[in-house]
Amino acid sequence: EAGVTQSPTHLIKTRGQQATLRCSPISGHTSVYWYQQALGLGLQFLLWYDEGEERNRGNFPPRFSGRQFPNYSSELNVNALELEDSALYLCASSLGPDHYEQYFGPGTRLTVT
Amino acid sequence: AQTVTQSQPEMSVQEAETVTLSCTYDTSESNYYLFWYKQPPSRQMILVIRQEAYKQQNATENRFSVNFQKAAKSFSLKISDSQLGDTAMYFCAFMKLTTDSWGKLQFGAGTQVVVTP
Repeated sequence: EAGVTQSPTHLIKTRGQQATLRCSPISGHTSVYWYQQALGLGLQFLLWYDEGEERNRGNFPPRFSGRQFPNYSSELNVNALELEDSALYLCASSLGPDHYEQYFGPGTRLTVT
Repeated sequence: AQTVTQSQPEMSVQEAETVTLSCTYDTSESNYYLFWYKQPPSRQMILVIRQEAYKQQNATENRFSVNFQKAAKSFSLKISDSQLGDTAMYFCAFMKLTTDSWGKLQFGAGTQVVVTP
């Protein structure tokens, strides 16, 4: 069974640009979660999508947004990139809202210059 | 305020020995889940073990076991018969089952475990 996949592996952007990160959940999983792992800040919850709807959001500005597609894959968009957005972005999936075990992908390393 | 505290930044253990990682958490809720994840140098976060707060019995997964002390808000991880492949950063995580926290894992700062031959 394939795990959570994320693309791209690495992404380099310039300050002010937009970044789009993609995630495909484990087959059969409907919930997708996004986390940011930044140096010095640890792992922080960003967003949760289930059945195409945003279910919860962490303490991040609105320029962090995303969506979930009918096939349950998800995109994370970061607008107006700032240097401090440089981080590893991890996607996780679970069987659904009442299933609390989250399984993570390998991450996308975003570097903002 | 930090919800999950891991007080040991790094621990070293020899192969075949046992190491215990500490984790404490802060909550007034009674309904929650606790997890241990490992993140090896490959960066992939791997779920090691989970514990439901309503269960008194400590969870066990092969060489990994937890000591869950609900009153003390403590959730330590014991790795027995340590192997070189156990070298990783270990994160303790907490999820409150309330509307505002549903789906949101809150992580500690992590403990780097180094297994030496």
